[in-house]
Amino acid sequence: DAGVTQSPTHLIKTRGQQVTLRCSPKSGHDTVSWYQQALGQGPQFIFQYYEEEERQRGNFPDRFSGHQFPNYSSELNVNALLLGDSALYLCASSLAGGRDQPQHFGDGTRLSIL
Amino acid sequence: EDQVTQSPEALRLQEGESSSLNCSYTVSGLRGLFWYRQDPGKGPEFLFTLYSAGEEKEKERLKATLTKKESFLHITAPKPEDSATYLCAVQVYQKVTFGTGTKLQVIP
Repeated sequence: DAGVTQSPTHLIKTRGQQVTLRCSPKSGHDTVSWYQQALGQGPQFIFQYYEEEERQRGNFPDRFSGHQFPNYSSELNVNALLLGDSALYLCASSLAGGRDQPQHFGDGTRLSIL
Repeated sequence: EDQVTQSPEALRLQEGESSSLNCSYTVSGLRGLFWYRQDPGKGPEFLFTLYSAGEEKEKERLKATLTKKESFLHITAPKPEDSATYLCAVQVYQKVTFGTGTKLQVIP
């Protein structure tokens, strides 16, 4: 049973560039959330996708956008990259349901901005 | 705004020395409190979900408890393989807010 997979594992970009990160959810999961984790900090919620729609968003600027595909996989896009965007980007998947389901995380994409 | 505070930031234990990690929270409309374990270079690994005050969950050497304002993760007779960062998170609607974690080191 494949867990959450993310690609690429590492990425180096320069300021002003754009980046796309990809996530395949755990088999059977239909909801995908994205998080940014700076070094020594807890993950910060960026947004969540369900049924190809953004369901809720955290305190991140519009430079951060996403998409969910019919097969439940998802992309995170970041435009006009800043040095402060350097972080580990985590994808988490869960199953939408009446009782809040735990999220299962991938191992993330380490993004470095030069 | 939802807030989650974890203490201590770091904890060093001898193997077999039991202790507790604390997670205090301020939220409106808690739907669930989660505990995760995170190893270096890895994503968080789900441990427990707690939904209501008085609830307890156990898994091997770990036991999580919940009150109306805080949660505790009790570690009984820890082993070196329990060394990791332990994260607490609360869910309100679809948004999950994490604390900054407690870095646990268990020395043989």
